Amino acid sequence: GAGVSQSPRYKVAKRGQDVALRCDPISGHVSLFWYQQALGQGPEFLTYFQNEAQLDKSGLPSDRFFAERPEGSVSTLKIQRTQQEDSAVYLCASRGRPRETQYFGPGTRLLVL
Amino acid sequence: DAKTTQPPSMDCAEGRAANLPCNHSTISGNEYVYWYRQIHSQGPQYIIHGLKNNETNEMASLIITEDRKSSTLILPHATLRDTAVYYCIVRAASGGSNYKLTFGKGTLLTVNP
Repeated sequence: GAGVSQSPRYKVAKRGQDVALRCDPISGHVSLFWYQQALGQGPEFLTYFQNEAQLDKSGLPSDRFFAERPEGSVSTLKIQRTQQEDSAVYLCASRGRPRETQYFGPGTRLLVL
Repeated sequence: DAKTTQPPSMDCAEGRAANLPCNHSTISGNEYVYWYRQIHSQGPQYIIHGLKNNETNEMASLIITEDRKSSTLILPHATLRDTAVYYCIVRAASGGSNYKLTFGKGTLLTVNP
């Protein structure tokens, strides 16, 4: 079956623009995660959904970051008024059951100019 | 979650075994050791995990010391496609925010022809 997919793969935004990043998890996976990966660093946790409920958003860097998963499948990470420091790779992961592993998508590389 | 320490980089000759060390001296009894890797421009890929016993799968072997304070990931016959950043992660089996994966900077393994 298909893995986790993300779109777009690359996004260039001018500072101040809003962007929306999409994640399609593995079909049937209950849990969905977003991570941010700065250049040369490991991924850092942003937020966690179980079905449509956002159970943890403690990693979101500011109130400009917003994530949703309205029907418990596809998720969108929105960044408002982008800043240069938002430039990073945004990774999505999904998981079937709590003790199972997380499967990652290829990421969206965001560059804010 | 317990902190992990890994060397920043290692080299390995193609066809030889690659042994990647990880220190996790503050690991607690219910915490697993997970290994992921990230090939350039891809999302992290799960490799293997273990609690106390050594584990082996089609990708690698995981050797955990008896005191559980360190572990070694072994790729028995490294190929050029194994060049990647390897992350050692300690994660609780249940409770708290165990759903998060806390990545460090990992070890960049370069397999040379």
